[in-house]
Amino acid sequence: RKEVEQDPGPFNVPEGATVAFNCTYSNSASQSFFWYRQDCRKEPKLLMSVYSSGNEDGRFTAQLNRASQYISLLIRDSKLSDSATYLCVVTANDYKLSFGAGTTVTVRA
Amino acid sequence: DGGITQSPKYLFRKEGQNVTLSCEQNLNHDAMYWYRQDPGQGLRLIYYSQIVNDFQKGDIAEGYSVSREKKESFPLTVTSAQKNPTAFYLCASKIRGPSTDTQYFGPGTRLTVL
Repeated sequence: RKEVEQDPGPFNVPEGATVAFNCTYSNSASQSFFWYRQDCRKEPKLLMSVYSSGNEDGRFTAQLNRASQYISLLIRDSKLSDSATYLCVVTANDYKLSFGAGTTVTVRA
Repeated sequence: DGGITQSPKYLFRKEGQNVTLSCEQNLNHDAMYWYRQDPGQGLRLIYYSQIVNDFQKGDIAEGYSVSREKKESFPLTVTSAQKNPTAFYLCASKIRGPSTDTQYFGPGTRLTVL
């Protein structure tokens, strides 16, 4: 079983729509959780950290469910510029981050 | 501007040749990492270094080598022993410390073996 699993999508949504997707992780000792965004043929960039109480950054909301071992990302009022691949990242110790393969979101006009 | 630079952006290599990918950072980060990314897959850790003159193998270190002689630099050599080297290589760095600190990535090097 992979350490981090994501639905690859693609999620095709119209502008203004809400899109949400999850990521599951296998290591119950995981401590830190992140969402990164990766544009085509570019490097990943941190979108947001995910905290136990859930957190929001503008149109983006991240949630953590430790009991079921998943994190989620919700994007409200989608923009064309939100089209990207979203990588789920989980870490269980200080040095090693485990990456999901990514969920592709395409926002259409 | 602080950041991570990788060079070259694109690299072509003939089979049987060794090639070295450059990674430099001026963020004063202690830890540096090398990943490879293949289409449809997540990033896989090749090597990492938490301090100068020390480095450890990641999940897929076979066929690769690294050095960490300076804090700012962490070059990766792809040797001829690496059977499938064509991939997107990403270098990252972070402050050594709590795992809540995030990694910052360089722009990557696309290696193609001809």
